[in-house]
Amino acid sequence: DAGVTQSPTHLIKTRGQQVTLRCSPISGHKSVSWYQQVLGQGPQFIFQYYEKEERGRGNFPDRFSARQFPNYSSELNVNALLLGDSALYLCASSLAGVNSYEQYFGPGTRLTVT
Amino acid sequence: QKEVEQNSGPLSVPEGAIASLNCTYSDRGSQSFFWYRQYSGKSPELIMFIYSNGDKEDGRFTAQLNKASQYVSLLIRDSQPSDSATYLCAVIGYGGSQGNLIFGKGTKLSVKP
Repeated sequence: DAGVTQSPTHLIKTRGQQVTLRCSPISGHKSVSWYQQVLGQGPQFIFQYYEKEERGRGNFPDRFSARQFPNYSSELNVNALLLGDSALYLCASSLAGVNSYEQYFGPGTRLTVT
Repeated sequence: QKEVEQNSGPLSVPEGAIASLNCTYSDRGSQSFFWYRQYSGKSPELIMFIYSNGDKEDGRFTAQLNKASQYVSLLIRDSQPSDSATYLCAVIGYGGSQGNLIFGKGTKLSVKP
């Protein structure tokens, strides 16, 4: 079975631009979470979506937004990019059922803002 | 503010030895604990999870949880050079979103042949 997939793999953008990152969860998983990982740090939680509804949001500015589609895939949008947004963006999927909290990460999208 | 603390290392062990990685957390209500392995330039890979006090074994890996002392550890037996990676500890807080994993900064493990 395919794992979590993300696209694109790498992306270079200029300050002020907007970017959209995409994620497809493991088949059967209904929850998608987004994380930002900068070099030398652990991933930081941005959003969780479950059944197309936002279930959690981390401490990120409103420039960050996301949505989940009926097929459970998800998009993360970042507007007005700053140099500090350069990071590895990770998508994780989970069953999110009772007693099922394990999350599985995709390969990530490495975003460079110049 | 919930926090997860790990020694950043690097932790260096000889091949065949036991590597011991430790993690402490601040939220006494935390219920679920995870260990991820992350190779340089790659994404984190879930290797162990533990929800109850005590030990949980999976192959060469053992996770240990002590909720009273608020620490969780990972033991890697018969360490191999391929185990060289950064190990991330993560927790989910009680009452929080199931998606809200809180990570430590990770411990870099180096296994010397």
